[in-house]
Amino acid sequence: GQNIDQPTEMTATEGAIVQINCTYQTSGFNGLFWYQQHAGEAPTFLSYNVLDGLEEKGRFSSFLSRSKGYSYLLLKELQMKDSASYLCAVRDSNYQLIWGAGTKLIIKP
Amino acid sequence: ETGVTQSPTHLIKTRGQQVTLRCSSQSGHNTVSWYQQALGQGPQFIFQYYREEENGRGNFPPRFSGLQFPNYSSELNVNALELDDSALYLCASSWDSSNSGANVLTFGAGSRLTVL
Repeated sequence: GQNIDQPTEMTATEGAIVQINCTYQTSGFNGLFWYQQHAGEAPTFLSYNVLDGLEEKGRFSSFLSRSKGYSYLLLKELQMKDSASYLCAVRDSNYQLIWGAGTKLIIKP
Repeated sequence: ETGVTQSPTHLIKTRGQQVTLRCSSQSGHNTVSWYQQALGQGPQFIFQYYREEENGRGNFPPRFSGLQFPNYSSELNVNALELDDSALYLCASSWDSSNSGANVLTFGAGSRLTVL
């Protein structure tokens, strides 16, 4: 079967750095996405990785290792507004998105 | 440019009833997909429509059906509602169905369905 694993919940302090990990086992790989979802709102796109390495976009970076079936989302200079769920999704060989259950990130002052 | 809009935002149905959820795609987008998101879970892919035809389907029974209209708006229909159908239903649109590149999805805020 296909599986995406993420930690259920993480807590971090305002101004700090946090890394959210995602491991995946899917039938094929055609890209990995990270989305942010605030409670009661729609998911919004954060990043896309299809090749190994680090993609940096402002305070957010995403890393991919296809051989290890592993990705992480790195959030720097955390702000209270970063409190949200972070969803990892992999596009499989059928070009369908397989989603993880999401990681709820709690930011404390 | 307008985003993705969904209606209704909330609704309550009883077991066995039927429901229709509606979605207006973002301007310029020609592909729409529907997802079911249970509380505390990630979205589950239901199906995708491109140029009014279904071109991808997840592991959902036939009582989940859909339509895409010439203006790229879409409907999700669920027949014979079950208690487990209670969830947030998300519509997402994109400009390309070829699945090349990032093909970023733009999501609507969702329709929260409660089945009693």
